Amino acid sequence: AQKITQTQPGMFVQEKEAVTLDCTYDTSDPSYGLFWYKQPSSGEMIFLIYQGSYDQQNATEGRYSLNFQKARKSANLVISASQLGDSAMYFCAMRVPTGANNLFFGTGTRLTVIP
Amino acid sequence: EAQVTQNPRYLITVTGKKLTVTCSQNMNHEYMSWYRQDPGLGLRQIYYSMNVEVTDKGDVPEGYKVSRKEKRNFPLILESPSPNQTSLYFCASSLSGTPYNEQFFGPGTRLTVL
Repeated sequence: AQKITQTQPGMFVQEKEAVTLDCTYDTSDPSYGLFWYKQPSSGEMIFLIYQGSYDQQNATEGRYSLNFQKARKSANLVISASQLGDSAMYFCAMRVPTGANNLFFGTGTRLTVIP
Repeated sequence: EAQVTQNPRYLITVTGKKLTVTCSQNMNHEYMSWYRQDPGLGLRQIYYSMNVEVTDKGDVPEGYKVSRKEKRNFPLILESPSPNQTSLYFCASSLSGTPYNEQFFGPGTRLTVL
């Protein structure tokens, strides 16, 4: 069975500092994709970054980077130079080649950026 | 602009009154899906579609119907809504059903069933 675990219900970070949001996953499938989504208070779900299970290098997208440690089954999101607009819920998700091909979501981490 | 659109964004209705939430994408994506998000339960998949005329149940399909007559549209139908279907609904699409494509989400539809 597939599982995504986010152990930090809430995190605080000072503006302009970096923050790491934790995510561990569990799957027996060798092929999978890992994703991070941001959900601001307005409710929409915004795709941030993707890492494939066969990718050798960690993914980066602007201020977002994904610290992918395959052996430990972790896919932590690093946000550098936090901004007030980064305050939101962050979801880690995994996609595997099952019949449904759906996304398995973690429970989320609420990030608050302090001025 | 590449996007997934949903309508309506907000809906308050009464038990038993049939409703449809529309979903449309302009990215020529093959895969489309519906999710509901509930506090403490996270996001759960309702139905998905791998391509036109191909739909299948997700984790929580009871009380919902879908159709995929055209590639761009994937409406969600509640034939007889009940209060336990009060939720935030998301439509999503991706290029294909492989694990290597991100799913793009619509803006969400907040449904309240009284």
